[in-house]
Amino acid sequence: EDKVVQSPLSLVVHEGDTVTLNCSYEVTNFRSLLWYKQEKKAPTFLFMLTSSGIEKKSGRLSSILDKKELFSILNITATQTGDSAVYLCAVEARNSGNTPLVFGKGTRLSVIA
Amino acid sequence: DSGVTQTPKHLITATGQRVTLRCSPRSGDLSVYWYQQSLDQGLQFLIQYYNGEERAKGNILERFSAQQFPDLHSELNLSSLELGDSALYFCASSVGVHSYNEQFFGPGTRLTVL
Repeated sequence: EDKVVQSPLSLVVHEGDTVTLNCSYEVTNFRSLLWYKQEKKAPTFLFMLTSSGIEKKSGRLSSILDKKELFSILNITATQTGDSAVYLCAVEARNSGNTPLVFGKGTRLSVIA
Repeated sequence: DSGVTQTPKHLITATGQRVTLRCSPRSGDLSVYWYQQSLDQGLQFLIQYYNGEERAKGNILERFSAQQFPDLHSELNLSSLELGDSALYFCASSVGVHSYNEQFFGPGTRLTVL
């Protein structure tokens, strides 16, 4: 069964800290890995990763994928209170008879001033 | 505002009942996706339609069904409701058929089954 595990489940940091969120997966016919940010409402897309070792970056957020070790990390530097959210990792499977998109349970990040 | 609309915002009903959730995609988007988010299961992909045809199916129960109409809006029908069906149901839309990185989520319908 396809599986995505995120760690830690929750994290509390102070403004200015750097955080690393982890996502490991077991999926047949891997196609891509996606990161989303979910505040009080619907998820919003952050990154899609398909190739190993290539960092995707957007401002203070960056992410990288390791297809050999089957994990990805999401880094947030110089955290701000606006970064407080649940961060979701999802893995897309290619032409799978099972669900094509499997989500982890998320990491709840709280940034305090 | 993502441009995806969902109605109703909240729905409270009793076990055994049937409800219909509605989603209107962004203008120009052909794909509609349905997701369920509950506290214990997290976010789960249910089903995807592209231009009226079912394209991908996830962990959708047999009591649930969906369709996409010619005007591209979609409905998710939930029947014989159980307490465990209480959740937030999201709809998302995208232009393409394999476009998880380009999908925009609606605000969700919160379903409470009593």
